[in-house]
Amino acid sequence: DTEVTQTPKHLVMGMTNKKSLKCEQHMGHRAMYWYKQKAKKPPELMFVYSYEKLSINESVPSRFSPECPNSSLLNLHLHALQPEDSALYLCASSQEPYTDGYTFGSGTRLTVV
Amino acid sequence: QKEVEQNSGPLSVPEGAIASLNCTYSDRVSQSFFWYRQYSGKSPELIMSIYSNGDKEDGRFTAQLNKASQYVSLLIRDSQPSDSATYLCAVNDSSYKLIFGSGTRLLVRP
Repeated sequence: DTEVTQTPKHLVMGMTNKKSLKCEQHMGHRAMYWYKQKAKKPPELMFVYSYEKLSINESVPSRFSPECPNSSLLNLHLHALQPEDSALYLCASSQEPYTDGYTFGSGTRLTVV
Repeated sequence: QKEVEQNSGPLSVPEGAIASLNCTYSDRVSQSFFWYRQYSGKSPELIMSIYSNGDKEDGRFTAQLNKASQYVSLLIRDSQPSDSATYLCAVNDSSYKLIFGSGTRLLVRP
């Protein structure tokens, strides 16, 4: 299994809703990442989990809350989002933190209304 | 501000030609360099990684790295219309974050 699986693929949520994005990999990778990508822009790093511990938070607003329940799973909990948070949210993993190439999931297209 | 710079394009080449994509980076201590391909509406796909000066070849793709000039490039030989995509250069900076360039859009004309 050489994939990173993200669910859901599409999500529409209101500004008062609470939702979660899920990411799963079974490659034995020890690092997992959340990126945000707006249209025609490069991916922007949000969070890094290294060996199941949060190692980087790129000053992301608290309405985004990451969670790593185990080495294969990564969640991103969303609450009270703003319309400008609408974007493609990408999960990625790598064998070791930082130095290896990342495998990206197919992403969750999030629309906040 | 650590930066990774790419020409946004579009770079238009005829089918069968060599496409040359370029990237410069500002952080001198960067050690890992990557090229990702991203089709419209899809997620980035890793196509090449390079860690030492020189050339690295994989099929129709060749990555070139010159750390002294802080320059990395990607050559695509025998370009195909299916190669039309945005190519993202990515560099691990000194704090180990993967920083992406803004991408170069490649169009391969049949």
